[in-house]
Order: sequence, then C-alpha cells, then structure tokens
Amino acid sequence: QVQLQESGPGQVKPSQTLSLTCTVSGASTSNGDYYWTWIRQPAGKGLEWIGRIHPSGSTNFKPSLRGRATMSVDTSKNQFSLRLTSLTVEDTAVYYCAGEMGRTHWYFDLWGRGTLVTVTS
Amino acid sequence: DIQMTQSPSSLSASVGDRVTITCRASMNIGKYLNWYQQNAGKAPRLLIYAASSLPSGVPSRFSGSGSGTEFSLTISGLQPEDFASYYCQQSFSVSYTFGQGTKLEIK
Repeated sequence: QVQLQESGPGQVKPSQTLSLTCTVSGASTSNGDYYWTWIRQPAGKGLEWIGRIHPSGSTNFKPSLRGRATMSVDTSKNQFSLRLTSLTVEDTAVYYCAGEMGRTHWYFDLWGRGTLVTVTS
Repeated sequence: DIQMTQSPSSLSASVGDRVTITCRASMNIGKYLNWYQQNAGKAPRLLIYAASSLPSGVPSRFSGSGSGTEFSLTISGLQPEDFASYYCQQSFSVSYTFGQGTKLEIK
C-alpha cells in the first residue's frame, strides 16, 4: 500500500517562504515511472496544479508560479519537497502531494491527505 | 494554459439516478482527460483516465466518454457514497489544469 504524507508549518507570515515535505512509503521516489507533484486547493475552491519533479531532477511549474516555486527530491529519505517564496494570503490553501504516473496518458493516482497552510500576519 | 470548463457547477440527484457531468477544453486535447472524485475534507481520487479508462477498483457505474474538446462523466445508478465533488483535468499540456468542479448533492 503506497502512502504519501505531507508535513510542514500550518501557518506562515506574508512575504516569508513555505517549505513542505512529502514522505513516501510503499514506493520509491527514485522510481522513474513517477513524477512527484504538488497540487493545492484554496478553501471552497478547485484544484490548482503547482508543479512536478522527476527523479532525474527535471521540473515543470505552473507559469504563474515560476520563479517562486522550487522542488527537490531526496531519494535517501524517500521524500520530495516544495519551496514557495514571497507568500501572500492568496497562497492560503490545502497543499496535496501526489504521484503522477502513466505511459502514453498521465494521471495522478497517488495522493497525500493534504496539509492546510494559512498565510497570515 | 488550457482552460477547462465544467457544467453544471452543482447538481442535485437521488440515489439510483443517472447523472452526467460535462467538461469542455479550450483547445483539442485528444483523449488526454482525467476525472477525479473528492469527498468533503478528503484528497481527490482518480476515477477515469484517458477519457474513458477505469482504474482498477473503480465501480463500473462510472463511465467516461469524449475526445477533442468535449468530454462527459456519467454515473449510472447513484449510490450514497457518490455524492461528492468531481473534477476534470487535462493531461495534454504541462502546465496541467483542472475544471472548476461539480458538486453532486442529494436531492
């Protein structure tokens, strides 16, 4: 049974940097069949894809976030991480880590439970 | 980014009903369309991938169809656990985008 678990601060101040970690169990973050992904959801709203990282180190980000978001993978700890800088209240959301897999078609088939991040002074 | 538009935004139905949710893409995405179910307070769950393929473990009352710019998710014979929110997502182009969601409520 593959499980993903997000961890990080529940509250961050505006202009500060958010660091979130996703710990994977039951699968390896070095598995090249997966892209490791972050998705967020503001309260009462829809899902927003933030970006993804492949075990090779290749990354893709939502264009509107590029420059503020970075990701990394630590295969020794079986974790991957998101760093988001220059936070505003608009970054308040539940943040999900997810695993994206596929061959010709790609989809998110692994999800963490999500962690609420509130940006407030 | 490719814009994904779902309709309706909300829907009321009864147990046993057949319902259809529509998703429209702002450009041709072939069959690069996935559907997710999200219960309140929970993480989304993959329901359909590649427009019409069911992952193992998803009940056969769920079906997906469409290609290009028009897609639909149909639930035949609603069960109590199906009352949730549903999201489409395009996987044609990274940066991925989701529809705004459809909330399915009990009538």
